Formats: sequence, C-alpha cells, structure tokens
Amino acid sequence: AQSVAQPEDQVNVAEGNPLTVKCTYSVSGNPYLFWYVQYPNRGLQFLLKYITGDNLVKGSYGFEAEFNKSQTSFHLKKPSALVSDSALYFCAVRDQADFNKFYFGSGTKLNVKP
Amino acid sequence: AAGVIQSPRHLIKEKRETATLKCYPIPRHDTVYWYQQGPGQDPQFLISFYEKMQSDKGSIPDRFSAQQFSDYHSELNMSSLELGDSALYFCASSLQGEVGYTFGSGTRLTVV
Repeated sequence: AQSVAQPEDQVNVAEGNPLTVKCTYSVSGNPYLFWYVQYPNRGLQFLLKYITGDNLVKGSYGFEAEFNKSQTSFHLKKPSALVSDSALYFCAVRDQADFNKFYFGSGTKLNVKP
Repeated sequence: AAGVIQSPRHLIKEKRETATLKCYPIPRHDTVYWYQQGPGQDPQFLISFYEKMQSDKGSIPDRFSAQQFSDYHSELNMSSLELGDSALYFCASSLQGEVGYTFGSGTRLTVV
C-alpha cells in the first residue's frame, strides 16, 4: 500500500545549524515526491518536488531535498536554519501508477531556537 | 481509530448547478482545511477554519463558500459550477498545538 512516513514528530535545531527533516515513502510505481510547509492556522505551502532527473532538488527559502531510491527516502535539508523556518513540514507522494492519489505524511514540527 | 470523513465520495453535477461537500474531522480536532486537486495537479489550498472562524483563505473562487459548524464539521458550498471545478476535494483536520494532520480520502466532483 502507498504510504508516507515522517518518523519524527518534532525536530529541534539551533539557528545557523543545518537541519534535516526525514521522510520515507512506499509506492507501487515511480514516485512524485513533495515537501510542503505549514505555518500556524495557515494552509500548506509548496516547498519543492521531485519528478525525475537530478536526485538533489532545490526549492523555496533555501531548502533542498535528496531523493534516494534505494532507501526510498526524500529527506528535507537546509544548510543553515533560521528561526523563521519554525513550522510544520509535510512530505507527500503521488504514485505515477495511481496519479490521482496524493498521500501526505503526518507532519514534523521544526523548532529553530535562536 | 476514527479518521476524517468526507461525504459524498463521488458527485456528478451539471454546469451551473450547486454542490455541497461535507467534512467531519477527527473527534477533538478544532481545525479543518479544504484543498482542491485538479486532474494531474498538485493540491491547492482553498480555505481553513479554526474554532468555527475562518483562519486562512487560499485560491477559493468567489462562487465557493465554506463554514465550520458548532460540532466542528465543515461544509464547502459550490455554486454556478463550471467544468473546471471538476477535481478531487479533500479536507484535513488537526488540533491546534499538536503535530498530526489527518486528511480525508476526498470527494471527487465531476461537472458535466
């Protein structure tokens, strides 16, 4: 069954340090992978996506993610965290074999402390 | 465990008709979000409610309206339907202050 897992409910990092938010997925076909960010009381905002090509995808606000097919992972990264990055982050996957289905992870709360 | 319930699962309407989609959040969840996903498109945020008040608004057309009721369920009302409104509409619910954002399975609206 198709699914997305974000194993960490919460990630804490100091401002200026690198951050990683983990995501693994399970799909029957080739995946389209996404990261979204949500600020309090706001809707999801698109960060980046992987469709095909280079495994390292760069997105909004300095974020990037690396697609690793062998590990079925799509971890979100940023070299230097900002306090303003504190938010809820969602990984999502769309299965090429069932294109109209869109699966989200349960979310990871990122706390960046000054 | 209880999930987010959306009804109906499928809906077929003609152009210029109206449609009402319902979303029942997970018990205790106080926030509801609505998304629209067109064929081959990413989900687009429409609107959200927290404690029965609108908390954020996205790309929701003026022909659409929504509200959250006292029991926290939400309804998305769509009038003067257009062919381009054909999409998967899904809602999500959450509880303020807690990680955990659960999506419903969606309502597939087809406008003919």
